[in-house]
Amino acid sequence: NAGVMQNPRHLVRRRGQEARLRCSPMKGHSHVYWYRQLPEEGLKFMVYLQKENIIDESGMPKERFSAEFPKEGPSILRIQQVVRGDSAAYFCASSTNTGTEGEKLFFGSGTQLSVL
Amino acid sequence: EDQVTQSPEALRLQEGESSSLNCSYTVSGLRGLFWYRQDPGKGPEFLFTLYSAGEEKEKERLKATLTKKESFLHITAPKPEDSATYLCAVQAADSWGKLQFGAGTQVVVTP
Repeated sequence: NAGVMQNPRHLVRRRGQEARLRCSPMKGHSHVYWYRQLPEEGLKFMVYLQKENIIDESGMPKERFSAEFPKEGPSILRIQQVVRGDSAAYFCASSTNTGTEGEKLFFGSGTQLSVL
Repeated sequence: EDQVTQSPEALRLQEGESSSLNCSYTVSGLRGLFWYRQDPGKGPEFLFTLYSAGEEKEKERLKATLTKKESFLHITAPKPEDSATYLCAVQAADSWGKLQFGAGTQVVVTP
């Protein structure tokens, strides 16, 4: 059973370009989460999605960032007009459901975004 | 606001030298407290979930405990392969899928 798959592993963009990060959840998982890890900082929640729905985007910057999880295909985190401050490791996680107990999240290996 | 503080920031141990990592938290109703391990260049790897004060869980040389204000991760007789950053995270009762992470404790175990 393959784990959470993220690609690309490394992404280099120049200021003003667009970055697209992809995430395929574990088989059988229908909940996807995106986290960002800035240098010397902890993991920060960005957004929580289910198929075709954004459940919680309270950690997502209001400008330039968007996320989707379509009915078919991977989840996409899109950053428009990137700036140097967007350079970070972006991690995707997935889980089976949001039952009464805390969900166990399985993380991918991340995409390291570097903005020149 | 939910908050998670981990200490120490870094810990250097000799192989076989047991120690404990601390995770202090404030949260509006705890749904779960999580411990993860993160190796350089990789994503966090799930270790434990604790739900209520007094609960303990073990896995190989690791043991996690929980009180109403903090959690401890005890490493017994560590080996070099236990070297990693250990992350603590909490999930609030009114939160769906959002984990609040601490900054982590970087553990280095030398032979």
